[in-house]
Amino acid sequence: QKEVEQDPGPLSVPEGAIVSLNCTYSNSAFQYFMWYRQYSRKGPELLMYTYSSGNKEDGRFTAQVDKSSKYISLFIRDSQPSDSATYLCAMDAGNNRKLIWGLGTSLAVNP
Amino acid sequence: DAGVTQSPTHLIKTRGQQVTLRCSPKSGHDTVSWYQQALGQGPQFIFQYYEEEERQRGNFPDRFSGHQFPNYSSELNVNALLLGDSALYLCASSLREVWGTEAFFGQGTRLTVV
Repeated sequence: QKEVEQDPGPLSVPEGAIVSLNCTYSNSAFQYFMWYRQYSRKGPELLMYTYSSGNKEDGRFTAQVDKSSKYISLFIRDSQPSDSATYLCAMDAGNNRKLIWGLGTSLAVNP
Repeated sequence: DAGVTQSPTHLIKTRGQQVTLRCSPKSGHDTVSWYQQALGQGPQFIFQYYEEEERQRGNFPDRFSGHQFPNYSSELNVNALLLGDSALYLCASSLREVWGTEAFFGQGTRLTVV
């Protein structure tokens, strides 16, 4: 079993839809949870991070962490064609100082 | 601020050759990590450098080695290249004390081994 599981998709939604992206993990030591966006042939770009459990909102993006279920989510409201990219979750135990990544979910937002 | 810069952007090498990839971290950052991202996969941690020493290493063979210079820039060296080494190689930089929450990535070097 991989430490971090993420459905690779692809996910295709119409413009304006609410998008839900998810990851599950098995290592209870993870404390930092990140979402990165990666456009084709580019490096990952940090979107949001959350420490421990809870919600965090930034504009159209909301990140949720449920440590009891070992489940994290990223919601995108009012999705735009420019949101079309691969979304990767990444996690860190804090003391290991290295990120463990999901496979990434490919998202296409259609005009 | 130029952010994290990597060179070259693309590279084609033959099996058995050696390659050196370079990374300049974001201004003010002192920690550099290298990742390998195969097509359709998430990045895999190779190793991390801080104060010119390798501090953490992932499950990569000794063919993968690195270096960090006093100006915090870094190199990744891969010897005896295999076809399976073809991937996007990513460099990430951060401040040691805020690692994980503030890691910035370069655009990567796409290595093709033929």
